[in-house]
Amino acid sequence: GAVVSQHPSWVICKSGTSVKIECRSLDFQATTMFWYRQFPKQSLMLMATSNEGSKATYEQGVEKDKFLINHASLTLSTLTVTSAHPEDSSFYICSASTPNSGNTIYFGEGSWLTVV
Amino acid sequence: DAKTTQPPSMDCAEGRAANLPCNHSTISGNEYVYWYRQIHSQGPQYIIHGLKNNETNEMASLIITEDRKSSTLILPHATLRDTAVYYCIVRADLHGSSNTGKLIFGQGTTLQVKP
Repeated sequence: GAVVSQHPSWVICKSGTSVKIECRSLDFQATTMFWYRQFPKQSLMLMATSNEGSKATYEQGVEKDKFLINHASLTLSTLTVTSAHPEDSSFYICSASTPNSGNTIYFGEGSWLTVV
Repeated sequence: DAKTTQPPSMDCAEGRAANLPCNHSTISGNEYVYWYRQIHSQGPQYIIHGLKNNETNEMASLIITEDRKSSTLILPHATLRDTAVYYCIVRADLHGSSNTGKLIFGQGTTLQVKP
């Protein structure tokens, strides 16, 4: 299947700082990317959908000013957690799809964020 | 607002077939059935998907009932490495379109493969 890569795999940051997570599609051009977060022992929760070159569409209850998503190219989307707080600590996962892959969605490895 | 129902957990003996059921009684005509699995602390892994015909690939088989209201994922010879949470998801899939449907995850089935 297609390869989606996230970076960093894990990050620790101080409260009040911002942290950026990158999501890259390595062998295909991703017209659509999705961002999820997952707390321990829970399922994945969709945060937002981003289409290349346009603004992200956020799910209800997700603060767009806190979770900034940029999808500037067909192979890269970034999630920036601004003014991070300990409750933002979570597993963040991106996924990507393209019509050329039959619109199947492939996931990255995930990024662990710990805010101290 | 997941549109599928799965048992929360199942056990399977190593080497035996694992049959994971999923109910999706409100599935629409343009919605596919997708299966993913998530091994602890990793991103979900795509397994298989189908519309109405049974499907098979190198990982698994997908059996969809004629009325499409339920399906079964079959891992023919389960190994310890198949221990994971398995998610059954229905999703509109528009080939050739940039309007790609979202994947909404339910709670999934935790499959424990035992020696």
